[in-house]
This record gives sequence, structure tokens and C-alpha cells, in this order.
Amino acid sequence: NAGVMQNPRHLVRRRGQEARLRCSPMKGHSHVYWYRQLPEEGLKFMVYLQKENIIDESGMPKERFSAEFPKEGPSILRIQQVVRGDSAAYFCASSPSKGGVWPQHFGDGTRLSIL
Amino acid sequence: QKEVEQDPGPLSVPEGAIVSLNCTYSNSAFQYFMWYRQYSRKGPELLMYTYSSGNKEDGRFTAQVDKSSKYISLFIRDSQPSDSATYLCATYSGGYQKVTFGTGTKLQVIP
Repeated sequence: NAGVMQNPRHLVRRRGQEARLRCSPMKGHSHVYWYRQLPEEGLKFMVYLQKENIIDESGMPKERFSAEFPKEGPSILRIQQVVRGDSAAYFCASSPSKGGVWPQHFGDGTRLSIL
Repeated sequence: QKEVEQDPGPLSVPEGAIVSLNCTYSNSAFQYFMWYRQYSRKGPELLMYTYSSGNKEDGRFTAQVDKSSKYISLFIRDSQPSDSATYLCATYSGGYQKVTFGTGTKLQVIP
């Protein structure tokens, strides 16, 4: 499968635990974007990364959330000390190195549930 | 005011009907306009992509952009039950500016 791969597909955490969401972009893509989708809401931009760089994190909550895209390996979205309001579907998208932020191809998301 | 407004629906139509899905936006800097289809429990899938004003057709799908009124439309001809999904409009201004999505319209095509 050459598409954007996200894992796990479902993640259950208790309040106060840490959640780690992984995203492997499409082959040849070096730009990664994370979005959050709440029920009955659209996709909300969180962060835009290139290899080893955060380009735009204007959509990330200031506390508890962090993202990285290391030189080797997948991009990681990390949520520390999770709370019930963090329950959502988190989608990752990737785009090629040329052409700016387009076109973006999406993974099937990680559904995070907080008990 | 949201940058992109979209009626959440749900919209229910009989099979074979013509479906019209719409969005409005507020930022005149937006130049690129996209429609995504999202099935339940899946990621968004790109359907149509247009630049600036005008029409673009792809099979049963037609995307229309009117920049003067800041209005985006997606028309689906001969709708099928397999078209039942949530449709998201999206837009951005170009370069490395972030993409802004509408909230999505849920469509149900009844056999």
C-alpha cells in the first residue's frame, strides 16, 4: 500500500496518560500535516511539518500537544496528559516536496478515545 | 465568522437525482478550491480541484467556482447509492499557506 499510513487506527487512553499517533507519508512525500476532526465538525488544521522542521504549528494547542517528523521514521503527534476533550479522529496528510501544500493525500485516521 | 461555511445537511435524495452541494468563503485571497469525499471511518479522498473561477467536469462530477460571490459548488449527476458520504469543500491561497476545510455536508442517496 503506497498510501498514507496511520497507526494505530484506534487508541484508547485513560485521562492523564500519553497518546502517540504515528503517520508514514506516501513514498516521495516530504511534507506532513496533522488535522483533528470532531463529530459534526470539519477538519481543523493542527500542524505542518517537513523533515526535521516544524513549518506551521498555528493550529496546535499551546500545551500538552507536540509533533515531530524526524529524518528517519514516521511523523509523531504526541498528546500528554490526555483529557476527555482530546477524543477525536486525528488525520494525517502528506504532499510532495514541490508545489507547496498541494495536493494533500490523507490517511484513514486514528480514532482516539479517552476514558 | 468561519472562513469557509458549508451546510451540514443531511441531504437525502433519490437515486438518479442531481445533487448540488455548496460552500461560501470569506477570504478573497483563496485561489485554489477542492472537494473531498469522506466515507464513514475513512480519510478524505480528493474528488475535484480547481484554480480560480470557472467550471471543471470529471465524469458525473462538476465543480464550479464563482470568486465574485465567493461561492463554491459541486454537482453530482445521476447520483448513486455509492455517492452516500460526507462531502468537504476546502480552499487555500497558494504556496505554503494552510488549507481550510468546510464542516462537510452529509449526503444520502436512496435506492
